[in-house]
Amino acid sequence: AQSVTQLGSHVSVSEGALVLLRCNYSSSVPPYLFWYVQYPNQGLQLLLKYTSAATLVKGINGFEAEFKKSETSFHLTKPSAHMSDAAEYFCAVSFGYGNKLVFGAGTILRVKS
Amino acid sequence: NAGVMQNPRHLVRRRGQEARLRCSPMKGHSHVYWYRQLPEEGLKFMVYLQKENIIDESGMPKERFSAEFPKEGPSILRIQQVVRGDSAAYFCASSLDLATGEQYFGPGTRLTVT
Repeated sequence: AQSVTQLGSHVSVSEGALVLLRCNYSSSVPPYLFWYVQYPNQGLQLLLKYTSAATLVKGINGFEAEFKKSETSFHLTKPSAHMSDAAEYFCAVSFGYGNKLVFGAGTILRVKS
Repeated sequence: NAGVMQNPRHLVRRRGQEARLRCSPMKGHSHVYWYRQLPEEGLKFMVYLQKENIIDESGMPKERFSAEFPKEGPSILRIQQVVRGDSAAYFCASSLDLATGEQYFGPGTRLTVT
């Protein structure tokens, strides 16, 4: 069965430091990959998506992610954390046309001043 | 263009009552998905609907839960005879372009069963 693993349920960084949130998936076919952000008591906002075009994907708010097929990974990065980045981040995959999203368990990002 | 709308945002029901959650997709979107987020867990797929059709309900509990997306009006997720374990956030998402699988989420309905 397809699955998504996010390493680290909580990540803490200092303001201005690099943000790295890890995501690995298991699939026998190339998936579509997404990162979503959720602020407290709100819905999910799409940060970026990979749909088999460029392997380095740039998203909103300075985030980017790189698809590495050999590692089955899609890690999310941001060069310099901002206090407003504190939220929960979800990696998700879709395995075909019109298919449901399968989510990782989420990573809560804390940004220290 | 308004986003995905869900109402109510918060719903409190006593055990045994019915809960009805509504979702209006983004304009022009004909694909609707429902997900459930239990406390301390990620989102889990429940059901995928197109207008008047259920396409995939593999994530729906076999009993008490049903969903519809009529030709006119919002999509409805209905939970009959709610139990405390149904307390969760229920999110609706809509999609226009199935080729990319990109889904846009509503703000969610937080159901509390007392």
